[in-house]
Amino acid sequence: QQQVKQSPQSLIVQKGGISIINCAYENTAFDYFPWYQQFPGKGPALLIAIRPDVSEKKEGRFTISFNKSAKQFSLHIMDSQPGDSATYFCAAHFGSNTGKLIFGQGTTLQVKP
Amino acid sequence: DGGITQSPKYLFRKEGQNVTLSCEQNLNHDAMYWYRQDPGQGLRLIYYSQIVNDFQKGDIAEGYSVSREKKESFPLTVTSAQKNPTAFYLCASNLGGKSNQPQHFGDGTRLSIL
Repeated sequence: QQQVKQSPQSLIVQKGGISIINCAYENTAFDYFPWYQQFPGKGPALLIAIRPDVSEKKEGRFTISFNKSAKQFSLHIMDSQPGDSATYFCAAHFGSNTGKLIFGQGTTLQVKP
Repeated sequence: DGGITQSPKYLFRKEGQNVTLSCEQNLNHDAMYWYRQDPGQGLRLIYYSQIVNDFQKGDIAEGYSVSREKKESFPLTVTSAQKNPTAFYLCASNLGGKSNQPQHFGDGTRLSIL
């Protein structure tokens, strides 16, 4: 019940295309949903985050869409660039005072020139 | 610049040996976390600490130990009891408590068996 399921596991997109990564959860106690970007040999870096009382959040080319009733959220990368090639993780905060995050399994994105 | 420093970047462990991974932060964060990353499995929580001199087990604590004697430091020991230690280990920190506090990560330590 504390899992976050992420798909697809890998994704190949042409330069200029839209990359879409999906996540689903069961536990309605989750109250904060960040996305992280990780390059090889580096730690994950926060990309964008959303709370469940908001249906969409946009920062530059990155947009989170949140569907509370379906318990799903997704990351859209518009005008994908080769520099966006990385592994992306969705996560969820379990509504307690611990600051702990539950991570999805990750999606490896390759943007072809 | 503020951040999280993990060392060493690469570490090799011999059979029956304990090894310690260092994590230091100068972000004045209360909470610190250790994750293990394996291919295709995302990040799994090993231990976390909300405050100095206190820490809790995560989902995969067996074979690991930690200490939190200083706010800035949260070292992880991989003991000989951890039979499959080869992985990428990540340390993170945040202000803790409130739910909308993002975790900041170090650049990891890659541990391999000799």
